Amino acid sequence: ELKVEQNPLFLSMQEGKNYTIYCNYSTTSDRLYWYRQDPGKSLESLFVLLSNGAVKQEGRLMASLDTKARLSTLHITAAVHDLSATYFCAVDIENTDKLIFGTGTRLQVFP
Amino acid sequence: DAEITQSPRHKITETGRQVTLACHQTWNHNNMFWYRQDLGHGLRLIHYSYGVQDTNKGEVSDGYSVSRSNTEDLPLTLESAASSQTSVYFCASSESFSSGVNYNEQFFGPGTRLTVL
Repeated sequence: ELKVEQNPLFLSMQEGKNYTIYCNYSTTSDRLYWYRQDPGKSLESLFVLLSNGAVKQEGRLMASLDTKARLSTLHITAAVHDLSATYFCAVDIENTDKLIFGTGTRLQVFP
Repeated sequence: DAEITQSPRHKITETGRQVTLACHQTWNHNNMFWYRQDLGHGLRLIHYSYGVQDTNKGEVSDGYSVSRSNTEDLPLTLESAASSQTSVYFCASSESFSSGVNYNEQFFGPGTRLTVL
């Protein structure tokens, strides 16, 4: 069964701290996507990782992909309140144009 | 700028009524998808289309139908609305691998919050 698992599911962290969200998947895909969703809003694309070892950074967020371990990480550096949102990872379903999404990690950053 | 829109944004209906949710994209994407989002279930695929006249069932398609008569639109119809279909519905679109792109980033509409009483 195809699975995409994120952990933690909920993360409450203090401003200024660092933390990592993990995304494990069971397909053989070498493409992984990270999305952000603010409460009551739609999903916004953050990163597209296209190969083993890919690393992308935007502000305080850095995403990486290890296709051999079937693992992607989203690292948060010096968290700020504006990063509070739910983060989803997704992978391609092989030989299709579909994605399978993780259940999401709800991040809450407090002062 | 290209975009993907959904209407209505909010809808309240009664059990047994037929409801149609609209999705319109100006990206000229071949692929279009309908998801529902519920607490504890993440995003679940309802139906999808890889092009005009092509439609396919997703993992939670019972009680839903779609049709694709042009590239821009993929309306989602609830044949006879049930309370279990109360949810937030998202439409998304993407390029297709067959068009030569090597990734499948999906772009999402703003969502429709549907309540079935």
